[in-house]
Amino acid sequence: SQTIHQWPATLVQPVGSPLSLECTVEGTSNPNLYWYRQAAGRGLQLLFYSVGIGQISSEVPQNLSASRPQDRQFILSSKKLLLSDSGFYLCAWSEGNQETQYFGPGTRLLVL
Amino acid sequence: AQSVAQPEDQVNVAEGNPLTVKCTYSVSGNPYLFWYVQYPNRGLQFLLKYITGDNLVKGSYGFEAEFNKSQTSFHLKKPSALVSDSALYFCAVRDSGRASGTYKYIFGTGTRLKVLA
Repeated sequence: SQTIHQWPATLVQPVGSPLSLECTVEGTSNPNLYWYRQAAGRGLQLLFYSVGIGQISSEVPQNLSASRPQDRQFILSSKKLLLSDSGFYLCAWSEGNQETQYFGPGTRLLVL
Repeated sequence: AQSVAQPEDQVNVAEGNPLTVKCTYSVSGNPYLFWYVQYPNRGLQFLLKYITGDNLVKGSYGFEAEFNKSQTSFHLKKPSALVSDSALYFCAVRDSGRASGTYKYIFGTGTRLKVLA
């Protein structure tokens, strides 16, 4: 069966510091991968999605970037964090033409 | 443009009573509709989906949802609520346009369900 991992689970970072959040999927090949941000326990904002290695689409211009160095690895990064980057970051995957997205456990980021 | 609306920020229901969490959508073409549940500090868990076929869809944990094309609704229901059902519920629709090789998903703002003992 497929599983999705995210780490770290929680992160506290100072303003201006770099960021790297990692997401990996097991048990599938060539998944579609997604990064979302959830603010204040509410709606989800799609940040990036990827259909293959090195292929990244950005939804919202912002302080963040994403990379996909391996088939089942998706990384969310920032060179300099802002206070407004605080939130709950969720990674998700879907398989080819399958309809359903499956979510990872999330990373809570607090920027101080 | 596709959109999803969850008109209620919070729904309160007594344990053992039926529950309904509302969702309406706007899409071009055939809708692909989903419900997810989120417990505190957790990722979203898939509950059920409607792609085609029967308008009443059954999912995990005793939940079901009714697709109503004329009312463009996809309400989540459960005949008898449990305290453990208390969580944040999201309705979502898959974008009908396959841009950049994959589909995007549009989520509602969420409805907090509180089941009272």
